[in-house]
Amino acid sequence: LAKTTQPISMDSYEGQEVNITCSHNNIATNDYITWYQQFPSQGPRFIIQGYKTKVTNEVASLFIPADRKSSTLSLPRVSLSDTAVYYCLVGDLQGGGNKLTFGTGTQLKVEL
Amino acid sequence: NAGVMQNPRHLVRRRGQEARLRCSPMKGHSHVYWYRQLPEEGLKFMVYLQKENIIDESGMPKERFSAEFPKEGPSILRIQQVVRGDSAAYFCASSPGHSQETQYFGPGTRLLVL
Repeated sequence: LAKTTQPISMDSYEGQEVNITCSHNNIATNDYITWYQQFPSQGPRFIIQGYKTKVTNEVASLFIPADRKSSTLSLPRVSLSDTAVYYCLVGDLQGGGNKLTFGTGTQLKVEL
Repeated sequence: NAGVMQNPRHLVRRRGQEARLRCSPMKGHSHVYWYRQLPEEGLKFMVYLQKENIIDESGMPKERFSAEFPKEGPSILRIQQVVRGDSAAYFCASSPGHSQETQYFGPGTRLLVL
C-alpha cells in the first residue's frame, strides 16, 4: 500500500478556497486516490475519488498531475462547518485492496 | 435509506470483561469492515468480512479479538478480557461489492475500559 504524506494542520477563513496537498510517491498503476472527511465523534465520510487529471463533484475538486505522485483536494469557499480532519488514501481498486489505510490526516480549522 | 448503524454508541467496561460491538451495514451491502481509532490517530484496519466469511483479518490482534458476520443479523466485533489499551473508537464500514467501492462508515462505538 502506498504511503501518503499530508500537512498535519491548516488554518483558513470562511469564504476562502482551501487546497490540501497529499504526496504519494510510491503510488502503483492500479491505485486510486480517495479523500475522506471526519468530524469529531463521527465516522469518516467519503468526499471524492480519482485516478488522474481532475475530478469535480458538488463538494470538492481533486487535481492529480500526470505523474500521480501527489494530489490536491480543493474545497471552494469553506465555511465553519468544513472544520474537520481530511484523509488522503491511496489503494488498489481491483481486488485485494479493500482495507483502507488512513494516515493522521490534515486538521483543517476554519475561522470567521 | 438508513446508513451504517452501530450500537452501542458508547460502552464502558471494566478490565477483564467482554465487549460486544454491533454493526448493521447499509441495505444491500454484503461487505463489512472494522477499524479502530486511537485518540489523535487515523483509523487502523482490523478485519474485512462478507456474509459468514472472514476475508482479511490481518489487522486484528491475534488474541482476545474476534469478528463475525452471520447470515442473519449484524456483524459483531467481540473483545474478550478487555484491557485499558482497548479503549478506542471502533468504526464499522460497509460496501456493496468487492472491488474497493466506496466504504460508508457508521458513527462508531466508543469503548472505555476502566
